[in-house]
Amino acid sequence: DIQLTQSPAFLSASIGDRVTITCRTSQGMNNYVAWYQQRPGKAPQLLVYGTSALESGAPSRFSGSGSGTEFTLTISSLQPEDCATYFCQHLNTYLFGQGTKVEIK
Amino acid sequence: QITLKESGPTLARPTETLTVTCTFSGFSLRTSGAAVGWIRQAPGKAPEWLALISWDNDRRLNPSLNNRLTITKDSPGNRVVLTMTNVDRVDTATYFCAHARRHYASGPPAFYYFVMDVWGLGTTVTVS
Repeated sequence: DIQLTQSPAFLSASIGDRVTITCRTSQGMNNYVAWYQQRPGKAPQLLVYGTSALESGAPSRFSGSGSGTEFTLTISSLQPEDCATYFCQHLNTYLFGQGTKVEIK
Repeated sequence: QITLKESGPTLARPTETLTVTCTFSGFSLRTSGAAVGWIRQAPGKAPEWLALISWDNDRRLNPSLNNRLTITKDSPGNRVVLTMTNVDRVDTATYFCAHARRHYASGPPAFYYFVMDVWGLGTTVTVS
């Protein structure tokens, strides 16, 4: 079975910082990922799909990249409203990563 | 505007069969490329994808749930129903349904995947 490893589990950064979250898959066959943002008590919200396509309405400071077994979500300039938990999802199997909680320092 | 609403029991007993319903508007499951997925999330845990059904009746189920899941659609009524047999305390979670749209991934190997782009608010089910 494929394993999805997301890191870090927790991240604290300052407003304006560039933030990177990583998602690694255990198998390297044509993987695609999506990224979601989830605020407390809310449903996850799609940010990026197909590894690098920004979902309509998602802020342009979010970007996705990667290939093979390593994928990243980058927030180019962290904003207060970005405090949330972020999940990657393997689109080949729909498996979710364990999440990264982002807080403002 | 796409909206989805989940409904079902708030409490289920161990070994029972759980039925949750997704009622949606703003799209049709008769439209090519459309699908509805179910995802659950236990308190403090990551989401877990459960199942998906598409406009052409393609059904995808999470293999780790050992054939406990059934997903059906009632297109005229704009509903999708998920049943889960033999529930246990570990099935306590918020159950979400989501609209999904199909995308093509070039290969090799090439394949189609669904992106869950609009979610409902979820319905919380406790198994006890």
